[in-house]
Amino acid sequence: AQTVTQSQPEMSVQEAETVTLSCTYDTSESNYYLFWYKQPPSRQMILVIRQEAYKQQNATENRFSVNFQKAAKSFSLKISDSQLGDTAMYFCAFMKRSGGGADGLTFGKGTHLIIQP
Amino acid sequence: GAVVSQHPSRVICKSGTSVKIECRSLDFQATTMFWYRQFPKKSLMLMATSNEGSKATYEQGVEKDKFLINHASLTLSTLTVTSAHPEDSSFYICSAFIAHQPGEQFFGPGTRLTVL
Repeated sequence: AQTVTQSQPEMSVQEAETVTLSCTYDTSESNYYLFWYKQPPSRQMILVIRQEAYKQQNATENRFSVNFQKAAKSFSLKISDSQLGDTAMYFCAFMKRSGGGADGLTFGKGTHLIIQP
Repeated sequence: GAVVSQHPSRVICKSGTSVKIECRSLDFQATTMFWYRQFPKKSLMLMATSNEGSKATYEQGVEKDKFLINHASLTLSTLTVTSAHPEDSSFYICSAFIAHQPGEQFFGPGTRLTVL
């Protein structure tokens, strides 16, 4: 079984600042995906960024980027130029890769990010 | 594309009754759907994996007789909470997977269940 740990229950930064959310995981699997999901007050889960474990290059999506350290089993999310709309719960998640199929996600406990005006 | 809907969005029921929640993939066929449960201010926990045409696979600790899952078509999975009790009150979220698009899961908007 795998575990995902997010050690920051809540973070608060000023608008336009850069913030980094931390995530560590534990697994014996060699092929897997890592994700960051955003859950705003509407509670709709929104995919922020995805990283495939076999890819060494860190994934980026506009203002969002990750620092993936496979050996250290670390997967942090950096949000640049933070905006008020970034205020939400952020969940780190793990999914084992299963050929052409899919496994369920294992989520961390989440980090409540608050962007202050 | 890749829209998943859930119905109802909110449901209130009396203790002892059964409640059915539907999860539909609107513009794609989902060979696999997942059901998660989220308590207030908590994370999502995987309850079960639903594969079209076969029995659901439940996570350890999830009562399969209480949470009945049916995936009768490639676009619909249902979760029935049987003989609901107040402790079953929670936010239930489904996600759907498109075959051969690994790493892509699409989430429904969730259903808030309150059992009185």
